[in-house]
Amino acid sequence: NAGVTQTPKFRILKIGQSMTLQCAQDMNHNYMYWYRQDPGMGLKLIYYSVGAGITDKGEVPNGYNVSRSTTEDFPLRLELAAPSQTSVYFCASSSTGEGGYTFGSGTRLTVV
Amino acid sequence: AQSVTQLGSHVSVSEGALVLLRCNYSSSVPPYLFWYVQYPNQGLQLLLKYTTGATLVKGINGFEAEFKKSETSFHLTKPSAHMSDAAEYFCAVSSGSARQLTFGSGTQLTVLP
Repeated sequence: NAGVTQTPKFRILKIGQSMTLQCAQDMNHNYMYWYRQDPGMGLKLIYYSVGAGITDKGEVPNGYNVSRSTTEDFPLRLELAAPSQTSVYFCASSSTGEGGYTFGSGTRLTVV
Repeated sequence: AQSVTQLGSHVSVSEGALVLLRCNYSSSVPPYLFWYVQYPNQGLQLLLKYTTGATLVKGINGFEAEFKKSETSFHLTKPSAHMSDAAEYFCAVSSGSARQLTFGSGTQLTVLP
């Protein structure tokens, strides 16, 4: 059972480039989330989804987009990378939320 | 809106000493509360959770936390620290239709030999 799988693990982008961070879960969880983690700031919610075809903004959605075409996949798109998007990105999933999340191992993104 | 405050961004304890990591929350509804641990270059792992029922919650690796509604607190404790406990710890409160977690800023625990 793989849990939550994130790819890539590391990436360096140039300013203005675009990329998609992949997230897949094999637990048939309805709820999926994207967070970014910056030093001393904890984790901030970017986007979340309560099921296929349903997404909503979190606390810091600017500069990002998501889609949820299947239960398993929840990719995060950066359209025009900026240095402020340098961060570690975590994807998580949950069956109901009451039991807490299962986190992926993260993607470390640097924008130069 | 919910919020979480973790007092002390860095805590150092000696091996074998009591670990106490503080967490206070703000919530307009009965909260679901969580503690997560993050080891270097890894994702977050659930330590324990409070949803309803018993206010003293036991988790993995000998950690426990007590929900005190009157103090709006959910402090994490462990009677005797081990070197392997060195990590960053996050307190979180759950809210919203999707049970979104709001995290505190984290506490880095150092265990001294």
